[in-house]
Amino acid sequence: AQSVTQLDSQVPVFEEAPVELRCNYSSSVSVYLFWYVQYPNQGLQLLLKYLSGSTLVKGINGFEAEFNKSQTSFHLRKPSVHISDTAEYFCAVKGNTPLVFGKGTRLSVIA
Amino acid sequence: SAVISQKPSRDICQRGTSLTIQCQVDSQVTMMFWYRQQPGQSLTLIATANQGSEATYESGFVIDKFPISRPNLTFSTLTVSNMSPEDSSIYLCSVILLATSTDTQYFGPGTRLTVL
Repeated sequence: AQSVTQLDSQVPVFEEAPVELRCNYSSSVSVYLFWYVQYPNQGLQLLLKYLSGSTLVKGINGFEAEFNKSQTSFHLRKPSVHISDTAEYFCAVKGNTPLVFGKGTRLSVIA
Repeated sequence: SAVISQKPSRDICQRGTSLTIQCQVDSQVTMMFWYRQQPGQSLTLIATANQGSEATYESGFVIDKFPISRPNLTFSTLTVSNMSPEDSSIYLCSVILLATSTDTQYFGPGTRLTVL
């Protein structure tokens, strides 16, 4: 079975500051890793994914994440956030089961 | 990607009644899933919708409460039966597209259900 831990439930950050949202996973099999974003009152949108190859993956809206197998982490980063980045961010893992989600991190960007 | 639509987008229902949620995809899919997102919570997998056979339910979810149909590759329904206020959640359809060679799951916009 797979599991995902998002260490921060809420992250407030000032506009134009950098941000990192942390994600750690546990699995006994090889996995694919994903970040999804959920804007208020909307569905889930795929932000980026790691399937194989380069451990640094770039997604939409200037976000990137780095897969670290030894630390079983897949942290999400953005060098400069915007007000419009305020949303709930979910890390998810897929091994031999459908997607398993973390509890989410609420990113609040402060003007 | 593909366009995934859900009907209804939201509903308010009385306890004891049932609601059927539809999920339609404009591309062929290999896998379809139903998730529940309770208020302020993460997503929990209810079941995998199998074409032409009974759905595969996760622990804690049963067919009598959440019957699921998938008559073809692009359409599925989830029924929430004998509803109680605890069923108030967002229900999301998720798919893996036939056209993609990966296991990436895409999500519909969700159905926001409130049970009074």
